[in-house]
Amino acid sequence: GAVVSQHPSRVICKSGTSVKIECRSLDFQATTMFWYRQFPKQSLMLMATSNEGSKATYEQGVEKDKFLINHASLTLSTLTVTSAHPEDSSFYICSAPAHMVGDETQYFGPGTRLLVL
Amino acid sequence: KQEVTQIPAALSVPEGENLVLNCSFTDSAIYNLQWFRQDPGKGLTSLLLIQSSQREQTSGRLNASLDKSSGRSTLYIAASQPGDSATYLCAVTGDSSYKLIFGSGTRLLVRP
Repeated sequence: GAVVSQHPSRVICKSGTSVKIECRSLDFQATTMFWYRQFPKQSLMLMATSNEGSKATYEQGVEKDKFLINHASLTLSTLTVTSAHPEDSSFYICSAPAHMVGDETQYFGPGTRLLVL
Repeated sequence: KQEVTQIPAALSVPEGENLVLNCSFTDSAIYNLQWFRQDPGKGLTSLLLIQSSQREQTSGRLNASLDKSSGRSTLYIAASQPGDSATYLCAVTGDSSYKLIFGSGTRLLVRP
């Protein structure tokens, strides 16, 4: 199956700093990628849709100035958590549908655990 | 607004048992439904995808069914093994946008 990677896998930062998380589709191109966050023992909540070549679309209640998304190429989307605070600590996961090769399955990255001190 | 519910929230069974995980959704106008597995601290692995026009999909010891009109899906795991221990999530898409709406998951423990 298709592979999606994320970097870093784990990051610890001080309150007020910005953190960038990368999501890459390794063996397929993705015009669309999705960013989710997951709190402990809870399900995934969609944050935003990352669109190659255009602005990201955010779900209701997600601050677009707080969570900056850039879809720089057909294989890379980045999520930047700006001025991070302890409440931003969470597990962030990206996904991409491999629909460009006729597969509607969504493939997920391994996740990035963010801890803001 | 689509809501996805999974029951039970947690399940513990002895090795070898057959088991059924349930997923229900409030809006039957779905595009497809996927079942995922998540190991602790890890990402999601896709298990099965069922298109809205399909009734079931099978992969190895896993069988997923879909009854769109009643808003239900089940994941059947045959001859469970300790390695099946994980959280199982179902998710639906409402259209071809690929935006997934997840249930809260079922945490499965298969005891040796």
